[in-house]
Amino acid sequence: EVQLVESGGGLVQPGRSLKLSCAASGFTFSNYYMAWVRQAPKKGLEWVATISTSGSRTYYPDSVKGRFTISRDNAKSSLYLQMNSLKSEDTATYYCARHGPFMYTTDYYFHYWGQGVMVTVSS
Amino acid sequence: NIVLTQSPATLSVTPGESVSLSCRASQSISTSIHWYQQKSNESPRLLIKYASQSISGIPSRFSGSGSGTDFTLSINRVESEDFSIYYCQQSYSSLYTFGAGTKLELK
Repeated sequence: EVQLVESGGGLVQPGRSLKLSCAASGFTFSNYYMAWVRQAPKKGLEWVATISTSGSRTYYPDSVKGRFTISRDNAKSSLYLQMNSLKSEDTATYYCARHGPFMYTTDYYFHYWGQGVMVTVSS
Repeated sequence: NIVLTQSPATLSVTPGESVSLSCRASQSISTSIHWYQQKSNESPRLLIKYASQSISGIPSRFSGSGSGTDFTLSINRVESEDFSIYYCQQSYSSLYTFGAGTKLELK
């Protein structure tokens, strides 16, 4: 059974940093692209970052590019999201997600999702 | 960025009715559209991939269709457990985007 368990959320002041972690199990972690998707309170879904199987390629929307960094440790089956210069609009539940099977394009859906971790940016 | 417009925003139905939810893309995206269901206080769940491909474990009453810019998620004979929010997502661009969602509610 695929399991994705996020941790590291909490309350943080604007301008500060926070690092989220996601522990994966039930599949061969190194074979899959991985991602973070967030959802602000009472709002829709917003993709935040994607990382390739080796970690050599990363993708971000403009809203977080330059502030957030996605990384992975395949030996530990773990995914990370380093969030710097946090803003109030980054307040959301952050989901770790596994993309579909490997492809030679980035034409991916989000197949499995974690339970999410809440990040609140407030003074 | 590719913008996805979902309609209607809210759909009020009675159990047993069949419904269609729409997702329109701002440019042609072939069949690179996927559908998710999110129940209250739960994580999203993948329902349909690449416009019409089924997902293991998802009830057969859920189906998808469309290509290019217009896509539809159909639910044949809505059941009580189907009342939730439905999102579409495009993967034609590696800058993935979601629609704003359609809320399916009990009439």
